[in-house]
Amino acid sequence: NAGVTQTPKFRILKIGQSMTLQCAQDMNHNYMYWYRQDPGMGLKLIYYSVGAGITDKGEVPNGYNVSRSTTEDFPLRLELAAPSQTSVYFCASSQVNQPQHFGDGTRLSIL
Amino acid sequence: GQNIDQPTEMTATEGAIVQINCTYQTSGFNGLFWYQQHAGEAPTFLSYNVLDGLEEKGRFSSFLSRSKGYSYLLLKELQMKDSASYLCAVYSGGYQKVTFGTGTKLQVIP
Repeated sequence: NAGVTQTPKFRILKIGQSMTLQCAQDMNHNYMYWYRQDPGMGLKLIYYSVGAGITDKGEVPNGYNVSRSTTEDFPLRLELAAPSQTSVYFCASSQVNQPQHFGDGTRLSIL
Repeated sequence: GQNIDQPTEMTATEGAIVQINCTYQTSGFNGLFWYQQHAGEAPTFLSYNVLDGLEEKGRFSSFLSRSKGYSYLLLKELQMKDSASYLCAVYSGGYQKVTFGTGTKLQVIP
């Protein structure tokens, strides 16, 4: 019973590098989300998707891109990593009018 | 836009009752979630309110007043393991857009 799987769990990047955070869910949920959480803070919505081929910006989308080619996968792309993007990234999924299921998070440091 | 406010920190004694408040301003309100998050872990779902009133689940209860833009989470018979952050999240809009408050860090002391 995997639920929401995020990879990698930890990553250190250099300024200017790019990377993709992977998120996969096996619950056939239509809705998927990416959040970032800075130390001692709440979750900030980066992007979300209501189904394959449909994505929309959240509160803090700058510096990130997403795609949703399948129901299961919702990768988050950082093109030019900046120190301000050091954070913990959570992916979540849900069905309509249901609570979100979260992955274990990716801890990203940019130096 | 949306604005969600919660107290930053609270302290309560083991065995006691604590109420964590959440106020919100949003357009197209559909419902309100409460999540628990232990340090270094992912949030886990506690409750979901759509209509006004109280929802009870064991030691945890959540209340909603849509006209006042107000919710609270009530934790009874506090245990040390309840020390965590409690996140209020508003579900709004035509799509399933969920926006979180900054969270309330609860410390339970003996």
